[in-house]
Amino acid sequence: RKEVEQDPGPFNVPEGATVAFNCTYSNSASQSFFWYRQDCRKEPKLLMSVYSSGNEDGRFTAQLNRASQYISLLIRDSKLSDSATYLCVVNELGDMRFGAGTRLTVKP
Amino acid sequence: NAGVTQTPKFRVLKTGQSMTLLCAQDMNHEYMYWYRQDPGMGLRLIHYSVGEGTTAKGEVPDGYNVSRLKKQNFLLGLESAAPSQTSVYFCASSRTGVETQYFGPGTRLLVL
Repeated sequence: RKEVEQDPGPFNVPEGATVAFNCTYSNSASQSFFWYRQDCRKEPKLLMSVYSSGNEDGRFTAQLNRASQYISLLIRDSKLSDSATYLCVVNELGDMRFGAGTRLTVKP
Repeated sequence: NAGVTQTPKFRVLKTGQSMTLLCAQDMNHEYMYWYRQDPGMGLRLIHYSVGEGTTAKGEVPDGYNVSRLKKQNFLLGLESAAPSQTSVYFCASSRTGVETQYFGPGTRLLVL
């Protein structure tokens, strides 16, 4: 079983749509959680950290459910520029574990 | 402030050749990492360093060696390249082991 699992997609949505990604992790001792964004042929870049109480940054909302061991990312009012691969990252006692990513394409 | 830089950006090797990938960061970060990324798989940790003069094995260390002689530099070496090492290699750094990692632009390596 993979330590961090994501639906690979692809998710194809129209502009303005709301889309949600989920990610599950296997180690209950995981300490910190992140969503990264990776554009085609580019390096991953931090999108947002995920806090226990949930957090929002503009159109993006991240939530953590420790009991069920999953994190989620919600994107509202999708823009063409949101097209990218979204990586779920879980820190397990100092080891960063990366999901394989969920690919999102936003179409006009 | 360049962040994390990597050289070279692209390289083609023949099986058995050796090469060194260079990573440099100007953020005074203690932690540095080397990952490889293959299609359909998440980033996999090759080696990492928690400070100048230290190195440790990650998830997939075989066939690679590293050195961290200076705090700002982290070198990844391939002594005898194999086609299975064809991949995109990313270097990253972070202030601590649990904080955000900042990535370099990557090195695309093709081993024939």
